[in-house]
Amino acid sequence: EDKVVQSPLSLVVHEGDTVTLNCSYEVTNFRSLLWYKQEKKAPTFLFMLTSSGIEKKSGRLSSILDKKELFSILNITATQTGDSAVYLCAVGQGGSEKLVFGKGTKLTVNP
Amino acid sequence: GAVVSQHPSWVICKSGTSVKIECRSLDFQATTMFWYRQFPKQSLMLMATSNEGSKATYEQGVEKDKFLINHASLTLSTLTVTSAHPEDSSFYICSAKSYRGLGEETQYFGPGTRLLVL
Repeated sequence: EDKVVQSPLSLVVHEGDTVTLNCSYEVTNFRSLLWYKQEKKAPTFLFMLTSSGIEKKSGRLSSILDKKELFSILNITATQTGDSAVYLCAVGQGGSEKLVFGKGTKLTVNP
Repeated sequence: GAVVSQHPSWVICKSGTSVKIECRSLDFQATTMFWYRQFPKQSLMLMATSNEGSKATYEQGVEKDKFLINHASLTLSTLTVTSAHPEDSSFYICSAKSYRGLGEETQYFGPGTRLLVL
């Protein structure tokens, strides 16, 4: 059965800390891995990763994929209270348009 | 770009009634849209894949006669929850597939519809 596992399930940090969120996967015919940020409403797109070892960066957020070890990490540096959200990892499969989602990591950044 | 809207954003209805939720891609055409359901503290669960001009593909365990999906145009898909029951209360989110350039495609999500069935 295809699965996406995120860890930790929740994390509480102070503003300014750096956090690393993990996503491991076991899916057939891997095509891409996506990270989303979900606050109170629907998820907003952060990154799409298809190639190993190539870091994608957007401001204080960055992400990298390891297709050999079947995982990805999402880093957030100098966290701010506005980074508090649930971060979702999803994997897309070749031959299918579906995404398989992990359960998410709930990040709380305290002032 | 790649904005997806949903209407209504929340709805309260009586048990036994039907509720229609619209999902629109505002600045792009989407041949494929997806409907998800999310219960509190759970991740998104795909209900069905909606393809313009053809029947939706439902995930295992999702009743197609209860959750009617119509993808009538390249910018609109609708989900109708028929004869709603309290256990159908949930957060319903649609997404639409779009291309980001460089041959990459991804899903962009609507803001969601919170349904409460009394």
